[in-house]
Amino acid sequence: DAMVIQNPRYQVTQFGKPVTLSCSQTLNHNVMYWYQQKSSQAPKLLFHYYDKDFNNEADTPDNFQSRRPNTSFCFLDIRSPGLGDAAMYLCATLQRGSPNEQFFGPGTRLTVL
Amino acid sequence: KQEVTQIPAALSVPEGENLVLNCSFTDSAIYNLQWFRQDPGKGLTSLLLIQSSQREQTSGRLNASLDKSSGRSTLYIAASQPGDSATYLCVICAVIVVSYGKLTFGQGTILTVHP
Repeated sequence: DAMVIQNPRYQVTQFGKPVTLSCSQTLNHNVMYWYQQKSSQAPKLLFHYYDKDFNNEADTPDNFQSRRPNTSFCFLDIRSPGLGDAAMYLCATLQRGSPNEQFFGPGTRLTVL
Repeated sequence: KQEVTQIPAALSVPEGENLVLNCSFTDSAIYNLQWFRQDPGKGLTSLLLIQSSQREQTSGRLNASLDKSSGRSTLYIAASQPGDSATYLCVICAVIVVSYGKLTFGQGTILTVHP
């Protein structure tokens, strides 16, 4: 059973055209993360939500925004995608407390034309 | 700052071999360590999680060990199969000091098991 779901799996957008990626979870976890992973690199944390509290990483560009309207859903908005934003975007969840295990979704592959 | 190093970067073995993937980390103040598998173009699949107080975890043909004092973890794969071909990531969760667990990723070991 899918626990962390990302839609769409593949997204193509044009340079500068806003795009939104979606993540949903059936685990009822209180923490949700967005990572960016470029080819042959480790995932890079963009930001996370602990319940409704938003935490941005210091080096996350302003071009990236996020929304978490409820426990189950979290969105990644890229306001003006550049060619350098083409990557795999991974959503993950965690329930604070032992064992503090993160569960990852299958990812959304973003292509910027 | 935590740094995670995985050796080797790539490994190619014939089917049936037992193999060991190595991970080292610089800060022993960890909360847990996870081994993930990532297939090309796909997300991360958790294989094993070892809590800071544990020494090893086993799942099927996989066994992961943790030695905090030396800053090392190993992932042992028994009787490797072509379906094991993937990138294996060693991931450290730091001690919780704020509201979330900060993950530090290794660069991964690319495993190819050929028939």
